[in-house]
Amino acid sequence: EIVMTQSPATLSVSPGGRATLSCRASQSVSSNLAWYQQKPGQAPRLLIYGASTRATGIPDRFSGSGSGTEFTLTISSLQSEDFAVYYCQHYNNWPLTFGGGTKVEIK
Amino acid sequence: EVQLVESGGGLVKPGGSLRLSCAASGFTPNSYSLNWVRQAPGKGLEWVSSISGSSRYIYYADSVKGRFTISRDNAKNSLYLQMNSLRAEDTAVYYCARPLGYSGYDLGYWGQGTLVTVSS
Repeated sequence: EIVMTQSPATLSVSPGGRATLSCRASQSVSSNLAWYQQKPGQAPRLLIYGASTRATGIPDRFSGSGSGTEFTLTISSLQSEDFAVYYCQHYNNWPLTFGGGTKVEIK
Repeated sequence: EVQLVESGGGLVKPGGSLRLSCAASGFTPNSYSLNWVRQAPGKGLEWVSSISGSSRYIYYADSVKGRFTISRDNAKNSLYLQMNSLRAEDTAVYYCARPLGYSGYDLGYWGQGTLVTVSS
């Protein structure tokens, strides 16, 4: 099983600031990596797939990068609606696994 | 518009059974895999099971293998999860999710979830 490790667990950022979230895979997942945003009481929302492709309707302040075992989600100029929990997930093989999440909170 | 609507959650005693359903609409069901993902209260996301469009390929997380059974009825546009021998640690919101495309498991569409509580 591939273990996905996200860091930091919590990130405090000021509105308008930049957030950099990390996700590390215990073995290579190529570019088969997705990022999700989840707000309280809501289902997860796909932000990024293929490590760097934004899903339909996702603002361009969200960007993903990386391949293999190291991945980054960057949110430039954080808006109020961006404060949420973010998860990475690999889909390179079975079982699918998620990272433990990074909570982006208001500083 | 793709829609996924889960139902069937509720309170069940340890060792009991429950069957979840997911009603799918807005797409041709046999063209896409469908998945169950769960989230325990205050915890992260955990993939549970996946089934291919034709039901030919089925996968389970080790934590549910032998206790849960995934199935689908494409004629009824429905996905199911039969959960037996339930444990307290199965308590979670269960989401039905579909990938963006025909292949891959980037989960682009999610239902709102149904809560399963396992408690005596």
